[in-house]
Amino acid sequence: AQKITQTQPGMFVQEKEAVTLDCTYDTSDQSYGLFWYKQPSSGEMIFLIYQGSYDEQNATEGRYSLNFQKARKSANLVISASQLGDSAMYFCAMREHHSGGYNKLIFGAGTRLAVHP
Amino acid sequence: DAMVIQNPRYQVTQFGKPVTLSCSQTLNHNVMYWYQQKSSQAPKLLFHYYDKDFNNEADTPDNFQSRRPNTSFCFLDIRSPGLGDAAMYLCATSSSFGTTDTQYFGPGTRLTVL
Repeated sequence: AQKITQTQPGMFVQEKEAVTLDCTYDTSDQSYGLFWYKQPSSGEMIFLIYQGSYDEQNATEGRYSLNFQKARKSANLVISASQLGDSAMYFCAMREHHSGGYNKLIFGAGTRLAVHP
Repeated sequence: DAMVIQNPRYQVTQFGKPVTLSCSQTLNHNVMYWYQQKSSQAPKLLFHYYDKDFNNEADTPDNFQSRRPNTSFCFLDIRSPGLGDAAMYLCATSSSFGTTDTQYFGPGTRLTVL
């Protein structure tokens, strides 16, 4: 069975510094997708970034980049130049394919990030 | 802007009193999902619609049901809410025709059961 592990329950970072949130995954599939979502205290899950297993380049979206190390089965999120608004819960997730053509997301336990001024 | 909308944002109900949560989307996605999320936990998938086909997760209680009258709307019905059903309920959509199947979430409905 597929599994996502986020080993950091909480992290803090100084404003304007970079921070890395860890994510490791376990799958026997050759084709898979990895996602990061941000959940502020308001509750909405905001999609941040996607990495496909066959993508040769690490994904980047603005201040977010994904450090994808396939052999180590890790997909760490790097946030550069942290802002106070980055304080939130961050979830790593993996797409799990099911027969019938639909995909299900497997979530990690999440990492709560606090950005300090 | 294309989006996923959930109403209401906050819902208070009484123990055992049926409640319906609403989700609509302007993304024209063919797949819609309902998740339950309790405090400090990851979202838990309750069920989803792939087009008109309903797919229930094996551990979703019978107390939870869903309707999808058309592509844009999906409802979550809780027939007899218990105190343990107090949670955030998140609706999400995705397109099975895209390359990533990214799920886009609505703002959620926070349910309180008195």
